[in-house]
Amino acid sequence: GENVEQHPSTLSVQEGDSAVIKCTYSDSASNYFPWYKQELGKRPQLIIDIRSNVGEKKDQRIAVTLNKTAKHFSLHITETQPEDSAVYFCAARPLSNAGNMLTFGGGTRLMVKP
Amino acid sequence: EPEVTQTPSHQVTQMGQEVILRCVPISNHLYFYWYRQILGQKVEFLVSFYNNEISEKSEIFDDQFSVERPDGSNFTLKIRSTKLEDSAMYFCASTRTGGSYEQYFGPGTRLTVT
Repeated sequence: GENVEQHPSTLSVQEGDSAVIKCTYSDSASNYFPWYKQELGKRPQLIIDIRSNVGEKKDQRIAVTLNKTAKHFSLHITETQPEDSAVYFCAARPLSNAGNMLTFGGGTRLMVKP
Repeated sequence: EPEVTQTPSHQVTQMGQEVILRCVPISNHLYFYWYRQILGQKVEFLVSFYNNEISEKSEIFDDQFSVERPDGSNFTLKIRSTKLEDSAMYFCASTRTGGSYEQYFGPGTRLTVT
């Protein structure tokens, strides 16, 4: 089955700096890669996603890049703000599964210091 | 903006008891899921449900677990004979259609088995 690895597990940046979180996946047939933000005690919130037919997607301060050859994808947050502090999870959806199952990475705790 | 809702927010039960966790997916969504998250760990897929039947399930989803859509709005997860290791946050999620992969999560039910 699919396996998703996420790095780093913790990331501390100064407000205004950029943050990059990287994920690798094992199943080359995976075709959908969402990123979720989870604040303490809250639900995972979908913040951006990308399909395998696209190499990059941007939404204001956040962007996701996908390298299918290397089987990795990254979340980029520019001009970080304290409210960006949260745990971020990447996930992958294998093409082969019929049930839209998502396999999640282990999470990255992002701390933005004011 | 419509959201997935879940009840209760916190459930405490004794080992060996049965619990039912309830979810109300977004009203025009057709695919439903249950995930769990043990404290401090990654989100893990349990089961997906479409057209009144299970479309995919993980190894975690054994005979102890069952899902049901008892009416047009609720989606339930039943855990029989709970064990200490069932203690986790259980998230319900839903997706609009088969061609739309975005999964929107509910706020979760924290299950504590004592």
